[in-house]
Amino acid sequence: EIVLTQSPGTLSLSPGDRATLSCTASESVSSRYIAWYQQKPGQAPRPLIYGAFSRASGVPDRFSGGVSGTVFTLTISRLEPEDFAVYYCQQYHDSPQTFGPGTKVGIK
Amino acid sequence: QVRLQESGPGLVKPWETLSLTCTVSGASINSGSYYWNWFRQTPGKGPEWIANLDYSGNTFRNPSLGSRVSISMDTSDNQFSLTLTSVTDADTAVYYCARGTSGWYGKSWSDYWGQGALVTVSS
Repeated sequence: EIVLTQSPGTLSLSPGDRATLSCTASESVSSRYIAWYQQKPGQAPRPLIYGAFSRASGVPDRFSGGVSGTVFTLTISRLEPEDFAVYYCQQYHDSPQTFGPGTKVGIK
Repeated sequence: QVRLQESGPGLVKPWETLSLTCTVSGASINSGSYYWNWFRQTPGKGPEWIANLDYSGNTFRNPSLGSRVSISMDTSDNQFSLTLTSVTDADTAVYYCARGTSGWYGKSWSDYWGQGALVTVSS
């Protein structure tokens, strides 16, 4: 199965900062099949990005997805207090679909 | 508004069978190009996909769980269900149902999720 690696494991930032999260796959994955989710304690994952670049319904435009070579990225342009959470990438290029271990964005 | 709600026992004994049901409202599980998924998650880890089925009842399973997993749908009640046999401590997790969209052959991203149900395996 395709293993996803996320970096950094933890990001300590302040409100208003820019956050850039990375996700790398163990095998080639089409950017058409990468998604990002946000999860807060005690809640289900919330979809943010699908197809590497497209925002899910209701997601603010401060969230954007990208790719640089073989590294997929999630950027939060200016952190709001509600953005401090754990973020997961997912690949649905190959079965089984898999998720990364997550990046925690915490308050500095 | 699409809503999903998991239900089932929160405690299962080792080597017994875990059964969960997901009730869907706001969408029909036997129409549209959607996949109806089960995931699980343990603390500090990303979600793990378990299995799904499509609107016509085709099923897809994670090979890591092998033949212990089965998934079925009840279109009259707009529900789908998960059965996991011979459970051990390693199956203790929060179980989520979710709707998959924009996918192919069972692979998709999930746009609507249930709130999750904690299932503990313990004697």
